[in-house]
Amino acid sequence: DGGITQSPKYLFRKEGQNVTLSCEQNLNHDAMYWYRQDPGQGLRLIYYSQIVNDFQKGDIAEGYSVSREKKESFPLTVTSAQKNPTAFYLCASSIAHSNQPQHFGDGTRLSIL
Amino acid sequence: GQQVMQIPQYQHVQEGEDFTTYCNSSTTLSNIQWYKQRPGGHPVFLIQLVKSGEVKKQKRLTFQFGEAKKNSSLHITATQTTDVGTYFCAGATSGTYKYIFGTGTRLKVLA
Repeated sequence: DGGITQSPKYLFRKEGQNVTLSCEQNLNHDAMYWYRQDPGQGLRLIYYSQIVNDFQKGDIAEGYSVSREKKESFPLTVTSAQKNPTAFYLCASSIAHSNQPQHFGDGTRLSIL
Repeated sequence: GQQVMQIPQYQHVQEGEDFTTYCNSSTTLSNIQWYKQRPGGHPVFLIQLVKSGEVKKQKRLTFQFGEAKKNSSLHITATQTTDVGTYFCAGATSGTYKYIFGTGTRLKVLA
């Protein structure tokens, strides 16, 4: 059954700690995305990748880092430099063409201890 | 930078009433997509519009793309409780995979 898997579902971060959110897809999609969603708000793009070993900053990349070593995987690290990390993080993937729908994972909810 | 605004932010309707959400971009779009997010869930793709003035229908849902390709609307006829959720538009400019999501419209349907 093809899809996108995000883990963990809930994550707690201590002050000054880096945490990594996992995103894996078996849809054979080239493009992958990370979004942040705050309560009652829309999705804001953090990073996106169109192909392995390449990625671009989105609108709110500061305090975050990503890697794209494998087509299937696009992990997001929330660094200690991100001062307000509490949010719902959504990973998505799509065929690497414009005009293609994005398929989303179930999300990771990150909170600060 | 490019911005995509949606109105209204919230809408409460009685079951059976119609509902419309509007999406406006600060720049001309190559295409626009619509997503639905149920409470506690993730966005699910509904439809994509590409052509100027395009109108598409999915059962009780009607989607329109403006002539200038800077605005779009989603209209639901005779809402049902299953329509509850937040509806997002997402627009892309030509030659990019980067979509800017609208602020969303949260729909509540009262039975």
